[in-house]
Amino acid sequence: DGGITQSPKYLFRKEGQNVTLSCEQNLNHDAMYWYRQDPGQGLRLIYYSQIVNDFQKGDIAEGYSVSREKKESFPLTVTSAQKNPTAFYLCASSSRGGGYTFGSGTRLTVV
Amino acid sequence: GENVEQHPSTLSVQEGDSAVIKCTYSDSASNYFPWYKQELGKRPQLIIDIRSNVGEKKDQRIAVTLNKTAKHFSLHITETQPEDSAVYFCAIQGAQKLVFGQGTRLTINP
Repeated sequence: DGGITQSPKYLFRKEGQNVTLSCEQNLNHDAMYWYRQDPGQGLRLIYYSQIVNDFQKGDIAEGYSVSREKKESFPLTVTSAQKNPTAFYLCASSSRGGGYTFGSGTRLTVV
Repeated sequence: GENVEQHPSTLSVQEGDSAVIKCTYSDSASNYFPWYKQELGKRPQLIIDIRSNVGEKKDQRIAVTLNKTAKHFSLHITETQPEDSAVYFCAIQGAQKLVFGQGTRLTINP
């Protein structure tokens, strides 16, 4: 989707389970971001990374973890510490000072 | 700090009429102001943006105006059509990331 790919599209998590959401971009963007969106709500920033091997917490980082080992990839792990993970997760990337390109999202549901 | 307020939260207009959404911000250092459209269940997509060295930018039926002195910018959609129904987000360029408004749900009534 426009150079940034999220997978899977739908994901189901059992109680106490960690799950990892994938985000890959081929836009040569330095910065990558993860957002959470609840139904009818806005975008809340989880984590972001401006450069490889570096990332910062956003507004709602508790219960989530990330890594940035490659420029193209920024996976998000939803840990068992996140008590209410059901939401729509959006990954985005950007060049310096530019707008974001969003992935198509992953819809996570707790079962 | 970086903050942006977006109004209204919901907007309903008759097809063919115009729609205006306004955002105000606090950080005078911001110099990039994009607008995103998100259709139901889809990803946000950039529809128009403006940088601080211009006061207005237009692309067919959509336009954005910026008043840096008053710290507000607005999205204008003219001759609205049913496919304009969506949630619209404004944003400002913060220190290391975009700061998004709360969103406006625009409904176009036939």
